[in-house]
Amino acid sequence: AQSVAQPEDQVNVAEGNPLTVKCTYSVSGNPYLFWYVQYPNRGLQFLLKYITGDNLVKGSYGFEAEFNKSQTSFHLKKPSALVSDSALYFCAVRDMGGSQGNLIFGKGTKLSVKP
Amino acid sequence: DAGVTQSPTHLIKTRGQQVTLRCSPKSGHDTVSWYQQALGQGPQFIFQYYEEEERQRGNFPDRFSGHQFPNYSSELNVNALLLGDSALYLCASSLGTGREYFGPGTRLTVT
Repeated sequence: AQSVAQPEDQVNVAEGNPLTVKCTYSVSGNPYLFWYVQYPNRGLQFLLKYITGDNLVKGSYGFEAEFNKSQTSFHLKKPSALVSDSALYFCAVRDMGGSQGNLIFGKGTKLSVKP
Repeated sequence: DAGVTQSPTHLIKTRGQQVTLRCSPKSGHDTVSWYQQALGQGPQFIFQYYEEEERQRGNFPDRFSGHQFPNYSSELNVNALLLGDSALYLCASSLGTGREYFGPGTRLTVT
């Protein structure tokens, strides 16, 4: 069965420093991986996805993610963090067992960026 | 172009009651999925509707049921509410196998 793990409940970063939010996955077959962000009292906003191709995926708001097949990881990164990046981040994998494939989410990582 | 909309924003129900949540998909989308996000957890897939039929279902009891209308909007019904049903319920829409767009969610509190 497909699954994702986000090993850190919270990540603290100073504004202007690089940030990394970790995600590892377990899938059978080729992974379809996603990152979403959730601000308080809001739904999920799509950041980026990996389906195939270049291992470095660029997304919204300056975020990028690196797909590493050998380490089964899909870490989210940003070169310079902003206070406004503080939010809850979810990694997800598409479950290809169904005809459409629903999303399977990690438990989330709270990112806190301090001025 | 309106995105995914959900109603109501919040509601409070008592144990044993029934609740109906509503979702209007993004314009042009034909597939609607529902997720439950308990406090401190990631969203969990409930079910997905396409062409007015339930196409996929997650690990949720039969108390959770849904419907999709000809205009692609959808309802989530939960019967015999339990305290553990308190959560943020998210609706997501997509076109075919395209990526999902999420609505703002409905916060359900069961007392």
